[in-house]
Amino acid sequence: NAGVTQTPKFRILKIGQSMTLQCTQDMNHNYMYWYRQDPGMGLKLIYYSVGAGITDKGEVPNGYNVSRSTTEDFPLRLELAAPSQTSVYFCASSPGQGASGGNQPQHFGDGTRLSIL
Amino acid sequence: AQSVAQPEDQVNVAEGNPLTVKCTYSVSGNPYLFWYVQYPNRGLQFLLKYITGDNLVKGSYGFEAEFNKSQTSFHLKKPSALVSDSALYFCAVRDMLKRQLTFGSGTQLTVLP
Repeated sequence: NAGVTQTPKFRILKIGQSMTLQCTQDMNHNYMYWYRQDPGMGLKLIYYSVGAGITDKGEVPNGYNVSRSTTEDFPLRLELAAPSQTSVYFCASSPGQGASGGNQPQHFGDGTRLSIL
Repeated sequence: AQSVAQPEDQVNVAEGNPLTVKCTYSVSGNPYLFWYVQYPNRGLQFLLKYITGDNLVKGSYGFEAEFNKSQTSFHLKKPSALVSDSALYFCAVRDMLKRQLTFGSGTQLTVLP
């Protein structure tokens, strides 16, 4: 039972480089989320999706892009890496549809630790 | 706007003693409330939630939480702490009219043997 799988686990980027953080889930969940976690700050929502082909901005979307072409995958793209994007990134998914979807617990991957130097 | 506060960055408790991790929230409508736990180098794991119904909610690993609407609180409790309960705990809230969860800043629980 894989759940939510994130790759890579660690990455070091140079300023200005781009990369894609991969996230896939095998639970057939409609909802998927990207968060960043900074020390003492909790989790901040970057983007989320309520189903394939539908994405929406969260609290801190600047500098990131997402796509959702399938139910399983929800990649996060950093186009021009900046030191402020050094963080731990978590992908999560939850079941449900429509307004009830947000009542369900979210299942998290183990994170991607990203450093930008 | 919705927000959640965890007033204690660190809570220390002796093994076998009861533990409480505090959480207060602010929403414009009815709240949906969650507790998650995070172990080192791992993602968050769901512990329990309050959507509606009984104010006392029971969850995984012997944890429970009490919803108090008048005090806008949702404190996490356990009658007898274990060393293995040592972890980072997050409270989260969602206004029923919104799709997004807002997380607190987390409370580091340390259970001393």
